[in-house]
Amino acid sequence: DGGITQSPKYLFRKEGQNVTLSCEQNLNHDAMYWYRQDPGQGLRLIYYSQIVNDFQKGDIAEGYSVSREKKESFPLTVTSAQKNPTAFYLCASSKGRGQGIFNTGELFFGEGSRLTVL
Amino acid sequence: QKEVEQNSGPLSVPEGAIASLNCTYSDRGSQSFFWYRQYSGKSPELIMSIYSNGDKEDGRFTAQLNKASQYVSLLIRDSQPSDSATYLCAVTRLTGNQFYFGTGTSLTVIP
Repeated sequence: DGGITQSPKYLFRKEGQNVTLSCEQNLNHDAMYWYRQDPGQGLRLIYYSQIVNDFQKGDIAEGYSVSREKKESFPLTVTSAQKNPTAFYLCASSKGRGQGIFNTGELFFGEGSRLTVL
Repeated sequence: QKEVEQNSGPLSVPEGAIASLNCTYSDRGSQSFFWYRQYSGKSPELIMSIYSNGDKEDGRFTAQLNKASQYVSLLIRDSQPSDSATYLCAVTRLTGNQFYFGTGTSLTVIP
């Protein structure tokens, strides 16, 4: 079945450690996104990528890094510079702009990764 | 001004009633509109998308879009306890790939 796979689902990190969250999609979507959600809060955009080898900062990129070496994969690294990393992290994808300039398609989410800093 | 605004609730309705969820957006150039349902501890699930003015119905769900008033709503008919969740409104602009989310409305359907 097509979908978005995030791993791990739960992750514990000691302060000062970098951790990488995996996101893989087999929907053939061009655009991929990382969001952060804190308890009782909305979604905040960390990074997004419209095409392979290109990505843009979202609203809260500080302390995070990403790469987009393959269309299917968009891993997120939470670095030690992120002061308050405990949160629910959501990866998502959409068709993106395709060959045109207009945004097309809906956004689909993975099951999420819950990171806790000890 | 926030890009997308929703009443955070909580909204409580009795089982079988109609639940009405509302969302306003600030950019007149917004193109596409989405409603997501998020159960506690889970990821958001797309339930409705709407692209033109008017109503769009899918089972017990109806999305309503009024671009002149910059307003989109979701009606849930014959509400069930399983509809209890947080509902997120999302909007995209004509160009670009960003989705702008509201903070969500918490709905509780009382048996």
